[in-house]
Amino acid sequence: QVQLQESGPGLVKPSETLSLTCTVSGGSVNTYYWSWIRQPPGRGLEWIGYVYSSGNTNYNPSLKSRVAISADTSKNQFSLKLISVTAADTALYYCARDRGPMSYFDFWGQGMLVTVSS
Amino acid sequence: QSALTQPPSASGSPGHSVSISCTGTNSDIGGYNYVSWYQQHPGKAPKLMIYEVTRRPSGVPARFSGSKSGNTASLTIYGLQAEDEADYYCSSFVGNNNLIFGGGTKVTVL
Repeated sequence: QVQLQESGPGLVKPSETLSLTCTVSGGSVNTYYWSWIRQPPGRGLEWIGYVYSSGNTNYNPSLKSRVAISADTSKNQFSLKLISVTAADTALYYCARDRGPMSYFDFWGQGMLVTVSS
Repeated sequence: QSALTQPPSASGSPGHSVSISCTGTNSDIGGYNYVSWYQQHPGKAPKLMIYEVTRRPSGVPARFSGSKSGNTASLTIYGLQAEDEADYYCSSFVGNNNLIFGGGTKVTVL
């Protein structure tokens, strides 16, 4: 059974960089696509982007200028960086296995709340 | 890219059925068979219920069924049970190499 766990700071100041890591167990980041998805409090889901083991990435056009996703196969982790954050980036951030690219997400982490506030 | 359109709420009595629609365009739902549905209980991560329009992952009850006609996809829950009360989100691949979700539908079991 594949399990994912998000980790990172739960509070980020405006204009700074949000950084999260997803640790994968029961599966390898060398295979499949791996995505980040977020959900502002009380609102719907938004796909952020994916990374493939080869380092191939693709991002939501609305976030493309501010986001970077990378994979560390030696640690079986993948990471999200979102620069120049504002209060609008406050959300639950989920990592998920993507059977795609961008087709469907069959395993999800429990989610991590990141609040952007000074 | 606008979100897919879902009704904000739907309801049904135990044992009855409820259907949720998800409307998009020719560039997403109408153009590809990559429609998925997710169930989300409060405080929990989304759970995959339907993928590629009609397919059910192992472990998902057969009373969950997906379909598509033109630019609209639907999720039908037959034999509604109390544990089906949750938020449901649809998603679709988009032709500009993107993926979008619907706004979500809250299903209430009366």
